[in-house]
Amino acid sequence: SAVISQKPSRDICQRGTSLTIQCQVDSQVTMMFWYRQQPGQSLTLIATANQGSEATYESGFVIDKFPISRPNLTFSTLTVSNMSPEDSSIYLCSVDHRFGSGTRLTVV
Amino acid sequence: QQQVKQSPQSLIVQKGGISIINCAYENTAFDYFPWYQQFPGKGPALLIAIRPDVSEKKEGRFTISFNKSAKQFSLHIMDSQPGDSATYFCAASSFRNTGGFKTIFGAGTRLFVKA
Repeated sequence: SAVISQKPSRDICQRGTSLTIQCQVDSQVTMMFWYRQQPGQSLTLIATANQGSEATYESGFVIDKFPISRPNLTFSTLTVSNMSPEDSSIYLCSVDHRFGSGTRLTVV
Repeated sequence: QQQVKQSPQSLIVQKGGISIINCAYENTAFDYFPWYQQFPGKGPALLIAIRPDVSEKKEGRFTISFNKSAKQFSLHIMDSQPGDSATYFCAASSFRNTGGFKTIFGAGTRLFVKA
């Protein structure tokens, strides 16, 4: 199974700024997924990132707020833009039903 | 129709006992049902998964029971250990007509195994 590496593992950011989260996979994959896990909650799919096409966003998530890049078959980034305290969550990259260790974001 | 309902919300089990977590779904298009274990500060780890053409799957102390007609599935943890104390999520996944697949997660169960 693929090894999924995410960074940063955690960050504390000022409101109004943006943070880009990186996800690296050790094998080529067609689909990469980005999830959000709010404190004490379950996981919610943000978007599906396919190489060579625009990401597909789930209801409630928009590209302007969560732009995603997928430059090749092993890498993707998720940016959380114009952050507010409500964006404080764990953001997780997923491949083949497996997850990276996540990025714990705190917005102050 | 896209929901996956998980119960109980929390569970306390004595060491050596059996932990049972239940999930129910509505959408018959779901065709893959994974269970995840998550420790604080970590990402969810895939524990065990089942497809709807199988009624039971066992891996070590972990067993999934699947009832397709009732649209229910459950996780049994035999001989529960304090190290099993974690949050467990059930999930259901289906392919999409537009390509790819989507996974819906249950709300989670916090398991505490008393020593």
